Amino acid sequence: NAGVTQTPKFRILKIGQSMTLQCTQDMNHNYMYWYRQDPGMGLKLIYYSVGAGITDKGEVPNGYNVSRSTTEDFPLRLELAAPSQTSVYFCASSWEGGQYFGAGTRLSVL
Amino acid sequence: KNQVEQSPQSLIILEGKNCTLQCNYTVSPFSNLRWYKQDTGRGPVSLTIMTFSENTKSNGRYTATLDADTKQSSLHITASQLSDSASYICVVSSGFQKLVFGTGTRLLVSP
Repeated sequence: NAGVTQTPKFRILKIGQSMTLQCTQDMNHNYMYWYRQDPGMGLKLIYYSVGAGITDKGEVPNGYNVSRSTTEDFPLRLELAAPSQTSVYFCASSWEGGQYFGAGTRLSVL
Repeated sequence: KNQVEQSPQSLIILEGKNCTLQCNYTVSPFSNLRWYKQDTGRGPVSLTIMTFSENTKSNGRYTATLDADTKQSSLHITASQLSDSASYICVVSSGFQKLVFGTGTRLLVSP
């Protein structure tokens, strides 16, 4: 049972490049989330999904897109990377008892 | 504005000692309050979840308290260990998918 797996762990992008952060969970949770964590700040919700085919915006969705074609996978897409997107990104899944987080992806946009 | 404030920002204690971390919130309506432990370079891991009717909840050496009237919570760590060195994050839920995260308390347990 791997829980929530995120790839890659680290990435450096140039301004304007695009990339997809991968997230997969093997706990059959319906709810999945993407957060970003900036230094000295609390986690901010980017997007979330309540099940396959259903996604919705969180607090800071601009510059990101998501899809949820399966229960297991919830990729986060950055289309035109900007320095403001330098952050640590966490994917999570949940059931009624609480959230399970992945180990994070540290992204730098230079 | 919904906010979660934690204190202190950072704390250093000697191994074996106890400590208490504080969380004050202004989130409304209130659904539940969670404490997470986040090791450096890792994702947060849930320690406790408390609803409005719960005053205290324990998880091993971790004991969380909640005073819904004063909108305060605390996390007490007993007989600290080196492995307790981490950031501790207080999170308040005001409903479906409405979580407000605190900025955390960074704890260092020194030998």
